Amino acid sequence: DGGITQSPKYLFRKEGQNVTLSCEQNLNHDAMYWYRQDPGQGLRLIYYSQIVNDFQKGDIAEGYSVSREKKESFPLTVTSAQKNPTAFYLCASSTSGETQYFGPGTRLLVL
Amino acid sequence: AQSVTQLGSHVSVSEGALVLLRCNYSSSVPPYLFWYVQYPNQGLQLLLKYTSAATLVKGINGFEAEFKKSETSFHLTKPSAHMSDAAEYFCAVSSNSGGSNYKLTFGKGTLLTVNP
Repeated sequence: DGGITQSPKYLFRKEGQNVTLSCEQNLNHDAMYWYRQDPGQGLRLIYYSQIVNDFQKGDIAEGYSVSREKKESFPLTVTSAQKNPTAFYLCASSTSGETQYFGPGTRLLVL
Repeated sequence: AQSVTQLGSHVSVSEGALVLLRCNYSSSVPPYLFWYVQYPNQGLQLLLKYTSAATLVKGINGFEAEFKKSETSFHLTKPSAHMSDAAEYFCAVSSNSGGSNYKLTFGKGTLLTVNP
């Protein structure tokens, strides 16, 4: 089955801790994206990557970092610099210029 | 810059009634337009998309949307609501910001409630 997987489903972060959210796709898509969703705010773009070893900041990149070492994988690290990390995080992928398909999401909570 | 406005953060209909969810966009270039649906604690699922072919677009689950350039609108409709349609709906616009770099801008979403 082709698709996008995100893990874990729920993640807890302690103060001052970095945490990494996983996103994997087996759709052979070139582009991958990370969004943050807050209630009543829609989705906001954090980072995106069009090809391996290249990525660009989105609208709210501060406090986040990414890597794209493999076509299938686009992990997101929420650093301690992100002061309000509680949100639902969605990963998506697409072939260039086409529809974005979304994973099931990871909910990040702060202890 | 492109933007999307969804009128009404919450829409409530009775089962069997018409569903109308409103979306207006602004874009400096011809847009691609999308409607996605999200069930609680899940990712987004594509309902339908407009990519400059027919202005009336049919999607999954009986939904359709009409692209009206003069009104910069892309409203989503369904003739008869089912209980299973209760979810949050997002309108999004995509445009080419250079080369193959397509970015999506989302509206803030409309929560649809269906009453028995």
